[in-house]
Amino acid sequence: QKEVEQDPGPLSVPEGAIVSLNCTYSNSAFQYFMWYRQYSRKGPELLMYTYSSGNKEDGRFTAQVDKSSKYISLFIRDSQPSDSATYLCAMSGTSYDKVIFGPGTSLSVIP
Amino acid sequence: GAVVSQHPSRVICKSGTSVKIECRSLDFQATTMFWYRQFPKQSLMLMATSNEGSKATYEQGVEKDKFLINHASLTLSTLTVTSAHPEDSSFYICSALNGGGNTDTQYFGPGTRLTVL
Repeated sequence: QKEVEQDPGPLSVPEGAIVSLNCTYSNSAFQYFMWYRQYSRKGPELLMYTYSSGNKEDGRFTAQVDKSSKYISLFIRDSQPSDSATYLCAMSGTSYDKVIFGPGTSLSVIP
Repeated sequence: GAVVSQHPSRVICKSGTSVKIECRSLDFQATTMFWYRQFPKQSLMLMATSNEGSKATYEQGVEKDKFLINHASLTLSTLTVTSAHPEDSSFYICSALNGGGNTDTQYFGPGTRLTVL
């Protein structure tokens, strides 16, 4: 079993839809959870950073962490064509630990 | 937010030559930087952790004599791919650790695309 699993997609949605992206993990020691957005041929860009369980909201983005289920989610409201990218979940045990990345989900928002 | 730059953004070289890639944190000091490699449609794979003033820590399966890392200052880490071969062609991305205590987070550079002919 991989440490972090993520549906690679591709996921295609119409503009304005709510997008739900998810990751599961196996290591109960993970406490720091991140979501990165990566455009084609570019480096990843940090979107959300969450410590432990709970929700965090930033504009159209909401990150949820359920440590009991080892499941994290990223919701995008009112999706835009500019949201089309690959979304990578990532996590670590401490802020200094090696970060483990999911394989990424490719998202296309159709105008 | 924190800015990390990489140079060059793209390099094409002949097989057997060495290539140096620079990673700089522009507006913060980074005692720790990371080097990743990403093959097409795959996630980032950590190659090594670079600590300022000390030897890099390499992940299992990464040849330290082939991928030389130097972290000479708090704002600069370099990765040298020695005697590059076509199978080394990939997207190389660095990141720098910013912050203190429980808020450390990695900021990524834009990546360097290496093509070895």
